[in-house]
Amino acid sequence: GNSVTQMEGPVTLSEEAFLTINCTYTATGYPSLFWYVQYPGEGLQLLLKATKADDKGSNKGFEATYRKETTSFHLEKGSVQVSDSAVYFCALTLNQAGTALIFGKGTTLSVSS
Amino acid sequence: EAQVTQNPRYLITVTGKKLTVTCSQNMNHEYMSWYRQDPGLGLRQIYYSMNVEVTDKGDVPEGYKVSRKEKRNFPLILESPSPNQTSLYFCASRSLGGGPSGEQFFGPGTRLTVL
Repeated sequence: GNSVTQMEGPVTLSEEAFLTINCTYTATGYPSLFWYVQYPGEGLQLLLKATKADDKGSNKGFEATYRKETTSFHLEKGSVQVSDSAVYFCALTLNQAGTALIFGKGTTLSVSS
Repeated sequence: EAQVTQNPRYLITVTGKKLTVTCSQNMNHEYMSWYRQDPGLGLRQIYYSMNVEVTDKGDVPEGYKVSRKEKRNFPLILESPSPNQTSLYFCASRSLGGGPSGEQFFGPGTRLTVL
């Protein structure tokens, strides 16, 4: 079946550290890939996405590259800030009308000053 | 402001007492969806709707009902809630014009506790 696996958290970093959150997927066909972020007490917001192999999504200093050969979509940021503390969800959707987002379990990031 | 609203934000109820969680969006989106979020499980889709009067089951529909009588509203109905429906619920919407890879906009969530 279709699924997303992301690294277990929590991830605890100091401000300005480098961040990587691993995400791999299993899918039939060619999915679109997403990273959503959930700040405390809020709903999910789209952080970035990529719709085909080798695409790089980027936003707010975060980036992720769609790697078809390794079925991965790892999230990276060169220098995290305290305000980046949140839960990060990797997700995929198949390119069919009505298809749901399939989420990973989420990774909690905590950044301290 | 473009947004998805949910009410109530918090609800504590007892087993078997029917409840409705409302969801409304002001972006004229055709597609709306309900998810539940549980620790260690991520988000799972309950029901979705492609347009008015068109609804379909997601991955975990048991114990839930939905309706889509108006484009902007998509209420989630629990006719006889049970403790295993204690969860954090999110409503989401997106435009069909953006295709399946279009951004989904999420509401702030409803935390439901069933005693």
